[in-house]
Amino acid sequence: EPEVTQTPSHQVTQMGQEVILRCVPISNHLYFYWYRQILGQKVEFLVSFYNNEISEKSEIFDDQFSVERPDGSNFTLKIRSTKLEDSAMYFCASSERQPYPMGYGYTFGSGTRLTVV
Amino acid sequence: AQSVTQLDSHVSVSEGTPVLLRCNYSSSYSPSLFWYVQHPNKGLQLLLKYTSAATLVKGINGFEAEFKKSETSFHLTKPSAHMSDAAEYFCVVSDLLNNAGNMLTFGGGTRLMVKP
Repeated sequence: EPEVTQTPSHQVTQMGQEVILRCVPISNHLYFYWYRQILGQKVEFLVSFYNNEISEKSEIFDDQFSVERPDGSNFTLKIRSTKLEDSAMYFCASSERQPYPMGYGYTFGSGTRLTVV
Repeated sequence: AQSVTQLDSHVSVSEGTPVLLRCNYSSSYSPSLFWYVQHPNKGLQLLLKYTSAATLVKGINGFEAEFKKSETSFHLTKPSAHMSDAAEYFCVVSDLLNNAGNMLTFGGGTRLMVKP
């Protein structure tokens, strides 16, 4: 069964450093997402991406965050200057088409645990 | 705005006994509702979804959920728990009226433990 692959599974970075989280969505999927889960809190939507641009983003997704699909296969989340409160599990997801009915073909990766020290 | 409340952060059952994971939602219009499961070190896997068709929804691994609009509930059940059901379960809502349909709102999760 096709999978969304995220690397690395765990990343430790120093506060103020830039970090890039990588995701390889399912090859025929067209919509891409990032969610995060701070330890002990709910999974939160960050951003959705379609046709090489952001289609929707949450309040969390401020100027410190950016997403890119640089080569047609990878989908990356960049945090420019990490803060302690960015420590979380970050989930990538992709879907084959506009997810209506919602969730159709929505496949999540296993996550990257980011620890900012 | 949409929101989801999972009433129990932890549920413990014995193998072979029924499972009930409770979920209440708040949505302005006609929501789509989902249950996802996360096993340790695995991604979020879709168990089942409700999208305005039949109110009783059957999912994978013997799970089912019933959409009750009058109670704004979408509880997840299984007649007989198996050891492999031990995982974290998330109730999720999406309300097309309030967004483009791209955003999922998650509940806080319920950790299901299954005793032998």
